[in-house]
Amino acid sequence: GESVGLHLPTLSVQEGDNSIINCAYSNSASDYFIWYKQESGKGPQFIIDIRSNMDKRQGQRVTVLLNKTVKHLSLQIAATQPGDSAVYFCAETGGGNKLTFGTGTQLKVEL
Amino acid sequence: GAVVSQHPSWVICKSGTSVKIECRSLDFQATTMFWYRQFPKQSLMLMATSNEGSKATYEQGVEKDKFLINHASLTLSTLTVTSAHPEDSSFYICSSSGHSNYGYTFGSGTRLTVV
Repeated sequence: GESVGLHLPTLSVQEGDNSIINCAYSNSASDYFIWYKQESGKGPQFIIDIRSNMDKRQGQRVTVLLNKTVKHLSLQIAATQPGDSAVYFCAETGGGNKLTFGTGTQLKVEL
Repeated sequence: GAVVSQHPSWVICKSGTSVKIECRSLDFQATTMFWYRQFPKQSLMLMATSNEGSKATYEQGVEKDKFLINHASLTLSTLTVTSAHPEDSSFYICSSSGHSNYGYTFGSGTRLTVV
């Protein structure tokens, strides 16, 4: 079936460095992508989104890149801080409003 | 911003009993509510989708008679885990669509432990 997956289950970075979290998706009909941050015991928190008619979108300290040719999505976090430690999920909708989540990446920020 | 209030945040119940989880949209009309289940160190798996006033649509492999979903109003959706067993222990999260900004708003989740 269709799936959204991540390349790296765990990512460790030094405080102040940039983080890059990757995501691959398989549904060619996917037209809307969202990155979420989830802290332990909490619901997902919206970070940034991008539609399929764009290839880059920037927010505060975060950038999402979309490469539709290879069905790849990435989240870049600039100047990573301890508070960024969490699990990050990409999610996508493919033509409907049902949101499918990727497997998640645990981001660990080392002091 | 859009807020979905989910209660309880955690619950412990005995095997064989039923547990109800509520999700309320506080400042918008949640026309659609999604219910997810998340096991430790795993992703969110969609269980079912409910639209206000109609029957829920369940994902493959999810027992509709065990996970009862009610979406009787535009601000309230409930998930009842009937005859709970230890394998139902999980983190349950609701999400609504209907808000104009981000499209999806998540509840804070309910940690269910069945003993």
